[in-house]
Amino acid sequence: SQTIHQWPATLVQPVGSPLSLECTVEGTSNPNLYWYRQAAGRGLQLLFYSVGIGQISSEVPQNLSASRPQDRQFILSSKKLLLSDSGFYLCAWSVHPGFDEKLFFGSGTQLSVL
Amino acid sequence: DQQVKQNSPSLSVQEGRISILNCDYTNSMFDYFLWYKKYPAEGPTFLISISSIKDKNEDGRFTVFLNKSAKHLSLHIVPSQPGDSAVYFCAASNSGGGADGLTFGKGTHLIIQP
Repeated sequence: SQTIHQWPATLVQPVGSPLSLECTVEGTSNPNLYWYRQAAGRGLQLLFYSVGIGQISSEVPQNLSASRPQDRQFILSSKKLLLSDSGFYLCAWSVHPGFDEKLFFGSGTQLSVL
Repeated sequence: DQQVKQNSPSLSVQEGRISILNCDYTNSMFDYFLWYKKYPAEGPTFLISISSIKDKNEDGRFTVFLNKSAKHLSLHIVPSQPGDSAVYFCAASNSGGGADGLTFGKGTHLIIQP
């Protein structure tokens, strides 16, 4: 069966510090991978998605970046965090090729930037 | 521009009664709709979906109704149970679109009271 691991579960970082969130998927090959963010009082916002190694598409201009160094590994990064980066970050995967609307989410990372 | 709208941030329902969660969309190209359920500090999990070729889909206690002319869908939970207390996200997609094509609403917090 497929599983998705995301860590850390919670993170408190000062403004201007770097960020690295990691997500790995097991039990499937060549998945589509996603990073979403849920800010307070808002819905799920798609930040990045990837259909293959090294292929990253960005949905929202921001100071965040994503990388996919391996087939089942997806990393969200920032060189300098802003207060507005606080939120609940979710990694997700779906079947590839094509697009399967059914997403499987990780357990999320609650990021607080102070 | 919010293409998927859940106008009720929260809903309180007595245990055993029917819970009705509503969702409206504006993009007429959407042809596949999903509901996700999210507990605190966890990622959303897929609950039920419906294609635009149908107007109803049922899975146990959960039924989704789609009114294409009104661009409206609803999720019915009968009977409501304490474990149903969660945030419910409506999502929509254009199946002809790419991997980035899933748009989420802001969610409705369902509270089941004993």
